[in-house]
Amino acid sequence: DAGITQSPRYKITETGRQVTLMCHQTWSHSYMFWYRQDLGHGLRLIYYSAAADITDKGEVPDGYVVSRSKTENFPLTLESATRSQTSVYFCASSEPVNNQPQHFGDGTRLSIL
Amino acid sequence: GENVEQHPSTLSVQEGDSAVIKCTYSDSASNYFPWYKQELGKRPQLIIDIRSNVGEKKDQRIAVTLNKTAKHFSLHITETQPEDSAVYFCAASRWSGGYQKVTFGTGTKLQVIP
Repeated sequence: DAGITQSPRYKITETGRQVTLMCHQTWSHSYMFWYRQDLGHGLRLIYYSAAADITDKGEVPDGYVVSRSKTENFPLTLESATRSQTSVYFCASSEPVNNQPQHFGDGTRLSIL
Repeated sequence: GENVEQHPSTLSVQEGDSAVIKCTYSDSASNYFPWYKQELGKRPQLIIDIRSNVGEKKDQRIAVTLNKTAKHFSLHITETQPEDSAVYFCAASRWSGGYQKVTFGTGTKLQVIP
């Protein structure tokens, strides 16, 4: 289901560079999330957003910045990339109702050299 | 905070056999338990979920059971097929601080041998 799209799918950059990962959803879901997936850790929440202009930290927010000027977009920025931020990043969205699943994008594989 | 443990980390079964993946959670306030399947290089996809007011749910070859008292829940796949090979994640969630807070297990890599 192409309701949530991420770009780029793959990115290689160097330490200290700024990089932005894009996420766009067409479902008009209020809630959007950014996770990172690392071997042995499963999926860990970086930031989430309840609506446009409302964002909050998750479990591992350090080194990341988010914004949400429009409901459908939720970009994630690494202001000064570090090797420890090499990971697969997933964006997700859900309806603003209790006990509803989150739906994931295809992910961005980010390598920081 | 919530802690979700998932076992086993890897599981190999013969085609046609059953597979069982078990998860435990720590927060008794968790009330929604989704299961995701992730094929190599692809997105996690919801395959089944269960809410805390239900003890068991079934969808064709997949079933999930929940024991709230013991704080554990399990995924059962019957008559496994090669296309069931993937990584499976359990999760426990609750409404907290204005959003559905989801804690994921670390995943089980299931291999179905033809």
